[in-house]
Amino acid sequence: DVQMTQSPSYLAASPGESVSISCKASKSISNNLAWYQEKPGKANKLLIHSGSTLQSGTPSRFSGSGSGTDFTLTIRSLEFEDFAVYYCQQYNEYPPTFGAGTKLELK
Amino acid sequence: EVQLVESGGGLVQPGRSLKLSCVASGFTFNNYWMTWIRQAPGKGLEWVASITNTGGSTYYPDSVKGRFTISRDNAKSTLYLQMNSLRSEDTATYYCTRGGTRVSFAYWGQGTLVTVSS
Repeated sequence: DVQMTQSPSYLAASPGESVSISCKASKSISNNLAWYQEKPGKANKLLIHSGSTLQSGTPSRFSGSGSGTDFTLTIRSLEFEDFAVYYCQQYNEYPPTFGAGTKLELK
Repeated sequence: EVQLVESGGGLVQPGRSLKLSCVASGFTFNNYWMTWIRQAPGKGLEWVASITNTGGSTYYPDSVKGRFTISRDNAKSTLYLQMNSLRSEDTATYYCTRGGTRVSFAYWGQGTLVTVSS
């Protein structure tokens, strides 16, 4: 299985700041990577697919980059609603696998 | 609006069975693969089972193969997960998602909690 390593596990920031989350695959996955947002009491939300394509409804302050084994989710000008847990997921190979998550907390 | 609503979770003893359901709306159900994903308390996300749009093929990780069965009723826009021989390590919130093994999961339900304990 393709192992997905996310870092950091925890990240503290303030509204208005920019943050980046890394996701590394154990082998090349082309650009077949998605990012999800998890918030209490809400369904998980697909933010980005194909490494950098924003899902409909995802604010433009979110961006994704990378291909092969190294990927990054960047959130510019954090808003209060962005404090959540973020997961990456590869779908290049069977079975689909997820990173362990990054909790973005309010500083 | 796409909606996925899971039900059927609860407390069950080890070795017993439970069947989860997921009612889909807001899209043409029989056009899409569907998948169950779970999250154990304090842990990450784990793919559990996928089924093709027709129900003709199913896929499982080794951790549940032979114990879990995914199925669907396209006439009722409903996805199922039959879980047999449950173990404590199956304790998790189970999510119904739209998608298969080689795509991202565009929509998720809010999940149903399964607790396996004596």
